Amino acid sequence: SAVISQKPSRDICQRGTSLTIQCQVDSQVTMMFWYRQQPGQSLTLIATANQGSEATYESGFVIDKFPISRPNLTFSTLTVSNMSPEDSSIYLCSGQGSYGYTFGSGTRLTVV
Amino acid sequence: SQQGEEDPQALSIQEGENATMNCSYKTSINNLQWYRQNSGRGLVHLILIRSNEREKHSGRLRVTLDTSKKSSSLLITASRAADTASYFCATVVSSNTGKLIFGQGTTLQVKP
Repeated sequence: SAVISQKPSRDICQRGTSLTIQCQVDSQVTMMFWYRQQPGQSLTLIATANQGSEATYESGFVIDKFPISRPNLTFSTLTVSNMSPEDSSIYLCSGQGSYGYTFGSGTRLTVV
Repeated sequence: SQQGEEDPQALSIQEGENATMNCSYKTSINNLQWYRQNSGRGLVHLILIRSNEREKHSGRLRVTLDTSKKSSSLLITASRAADTASYFCATVVSSNTGKLIFGQGTTLQVKP
């Protein structure tokens, strides 16, 4: 299966700033997804990152707050914009290929 | 969005005992998968069961699927302290979108 390198692994950010999270897959994947995991909770799908076009967002998530890019089949970024303490979560990317799904190790974001 | 619920939310057992976790979902599915997550980081895929399968085994894991009740169970036999983790079911509703939707999760503690 593919391996996803996600960075940063953790960050502490000031409210009002933005953070960009990167995911690099070591082989081509068909689909890429971004999830948020709030403290003690399950994973919630933010959006599907579409290669070369705008991401498809789930209900409750908007592009202005979580802009996503996917310039090619192996790389995607998620930006958390204008952060507030409520954005403190773990953010994970996922790739789907012929083998199934694989996940990055997550970015633990704390907003102060 | 979450697909469904898991129960129990938390489970504490002694090493050597069996652990059973249940998952319910709301919509028709293509397949159902179980994942393990240690310490709130990356997920590890455990097992996949397709909608036309009723039971599947992998080592100490046994998964059942009842599509009429929209439910699944994960049994871990002869548990070990290393099995301590959070366990999530996740469903693929459509192979076209490939979106993986997670249940609420069960936190398992195995006491040595």
